[in-house]
Amino acid sequence: EDQVTQSPEALRLQEGESSSLNCSYTVSGLRGLFWYRQDPGKGPEFLFTLYSAGEEKEKERLKATLTKKESFLHITAPKPEDSATYLCAVQDTGTASKLTFGTGTRLQVTL
Amino acid sequence: DAGITQSPRHKVTETGTPVTLRCHQTENHRYMYWYRQDPGHGLRLIHYSYGVKDTDKGEVSDGYSVSRSKTEDFLLTLESATSSQTSVYFCAIRVATEAFFGQGTRLTVV
Repeated sequence: EDQVTQSPEALRLQEGESSSLNCSYTVSGLRGLFWYRQDPGKGPEFLFTLYSAGEEKEKERLKATLTKKESFLHITAPKPEDSATYLCAVQDTGTASKLTFGTGTRLQVTL
Repeated sequence: DAGITQSPRHKVTETGTPVTLRCHQTENHRYMYWYRQDPGHGLRLIHYSYGVKDTDKGEVSDGYSVSRSKTEDFLLTLESATSSQTSVYFCAIRVATEAFFGQGTRLTVV
């Protein structure tokens, strides 16, 4: 059974204080690992897809990396508007496009 | 917003009543999904569809049924709502390898 564990559950940063969010996963075969951002009362917003170990993707202050067991979402010099819950999900090669999600990391960035 | 509309956005219903949630897409994508989101559980798959009249169960399908008679519409029905089905429900579509989500329906069963 696919499993995704995200840590920490919550993170509070000051503006400009860089940090990383962790997503550990267990799958029989990885088709893709996905990062989403979710604001309160909204649906998840797609950020990145990573397909193989060693792959990296960047978008503004966010950078996602992937190893064979985990993924990191690095946030460089965050701003208050980066405050949100960040979700990680995996797609197994044998599960017909279904995603298994972690419970998310709730990030708060203060001035 | 990837052309996904969920309706209603909020609903309060009584235990034992049937409830149908609707997901509408504007771009004729083949795969559509229904998830529920609860504190401490993350998003969990209820049912999904891979074409008109082609559906399959997810990990939390008990008490739910779905129908897809047109490519653009995917309906989720709670046959007899229970308090444990109080949740936020999200519809998603697959575009290439990524899933894009609607804004959600907050359902409260009293």
